[in-house]
Amino acid sequence: AQSVTQLGSHVSVSEGALVLLRCNYSSSVPPYLFWYVQYPNQGLQLLLKYTTGATLVKGINGFEAEFKKSETSFHLTKPSAHMSDAAEYFCAVSDRGGGSQGNLIFGKGTKLSVKP
Amino acid sequence: DGGITQSPKYLFRKEGQNVTLSCEQNLNHDAMYWYRQDPGQGLRLIYYSQIVNDFQKGDIAEGYSVSREKKESFPLTVTSAQKNPTAFYLCASRFKRGSTDTQYFGPGTRLTVL
Repeated sequence: AQSVTQLGSHVSVSEGALVLLRCNYSSSVPPYLFWYVQYPNQGLQLLLKYTTGATLVKGINGFEAEFKKSETSFHLTKPSAHMSDAAEYFCAVSDRGGGSQGNLIFGKGTKLSVKP
Repeated sequence: DGGITQSPKYLFRKEGQNVTLSCEQNLNHDAMYWYRQDPGQGLRLIYYSQIVNDFQKGDIAEGYSVSREKKESFPLTVTSAQKNPTAFYLCASRFKRGSTDTQYFGPGTRLTVL
């Protein structure tokens, strides 16, 4: 069975500081991995995803994540936080393969606060 | 303008009443999903449909029902059997082609039981 663990339900950084949101996964098959962002009372917006190929993935708004198979991790980073980055971030894993249901397993989310 | 729409944005229900949440997509995606979101619990899958006229239970289907009569529409009914229906409900559709496999989400409906 697949699972996702996001370390830290709340992370607070200063504006301009590095953002690091941690995600570890468990999967019996090579996974597809996703990061989504959610602003208050809104749906989820895809930030970035890893499916195949390069393990360092760049997404929108300056975010990137690196798939590390040996560490079963997919941490999200941004070099310099902006006030507009304050939101909740969800990591998700999906099984792969043509016959997969494509169902996503989500972590519990990390709320990012950015201090001026 | 392609996307997923959910209506209404806010919904209030009295205990014992059934209520139906709307989800429509014009992305021509085959698969659609319903999730429930509670604070601190992430998203949990209620039902999903891979194709018209077919759907499967997710992890927390009890007290919910769905239909998929049209490709574009996947309404969710919250029945009176759902013991704790107050939550934020998110609908999604899935695009899959080759190694590209991504779910896209609607804006959500917040249901409050009075």
